[in-house]
Amino acid sequence: ILNVEQSPQSLHVQEGDSTNFTCSFPSSNFYALHWYRWETAKSPEALFVMTLNGDEKKKGRISATLNTKEGYSYLYIKGSQPEDSATYLCAFMGYNNNDMRFGAGTRLTVKP
Amino acid sequence: DVKVTQSSRYLVKRTGEKVFLECVQDMDHENMFWYRQDPGLGLRLIYFSYDVKMKEKGDIPEGYSVSREKKERFSLILESASTNQTSMYLCASSLRGAPADTGELFFGEGSRLTVL
Repeated sequence: ILNVEQSPQSLHVQEGDSTNFTCSFPSSNFYALHWYRWETAKSPEALFVMTLNGDEKKKGRISATLNTKEGYSYLYIKGSQPEDSATYLCAFMGYNNNDMRFGAGTRLTVKP
Repeated sequence: DVKVTQSSRYLVKRTGEKVFLECVQDMDHENMFWYRQDPGLGLRLIYFSYDVKMKEKGDIPEGYSVSREKKERFSLILESASTNQTSMYLCASSLRGAPADTGELFFGEGSRLTVL
């Protein structure tokens, strides 16, 4: 079983702070890396799907980078807002697998 | 608006009962998945299906079975519920599997099952 690790496990920040989390994954057999945001009582929703080494993606105040050679991805949130409070999941998709391996998530709480 | 709908948000069952969790998607996706999520652990794959009447075991299939009689519907069955199956269950669908697609998953809102 491939290991996907996320850190930190949880994070509490003040409104306006910028923050980042890490996802590490196996560097071999890489096909795609997914980031999902899971708000309480809602469905997890895809933020980014990244496939190319060195890729950087941005959606509003949230951005992500990808390093497939060393097996990590960073998710950045600039100027955190209370509505950013959620669990952020990353998932590794291998080339020969038709499923995905999820990390345990980073639980972000943004205090007003 | 695309949607994955899970039949029950909250269920409470007794040990030994048979439990059905239903999932329906309206996106004409080929792939459907059942995951469970427990504190401190990532989503763990129970079963998945690439086509009608087709099923594949995931990482933790023991104690579960599935049924996919129609493309839009994927059911998870607990033949005899046990307390260690108390969990949040998430259904998901995707358009196609790797390598033909990025495999973005569309999730339901989850079914929280408590087995007493």
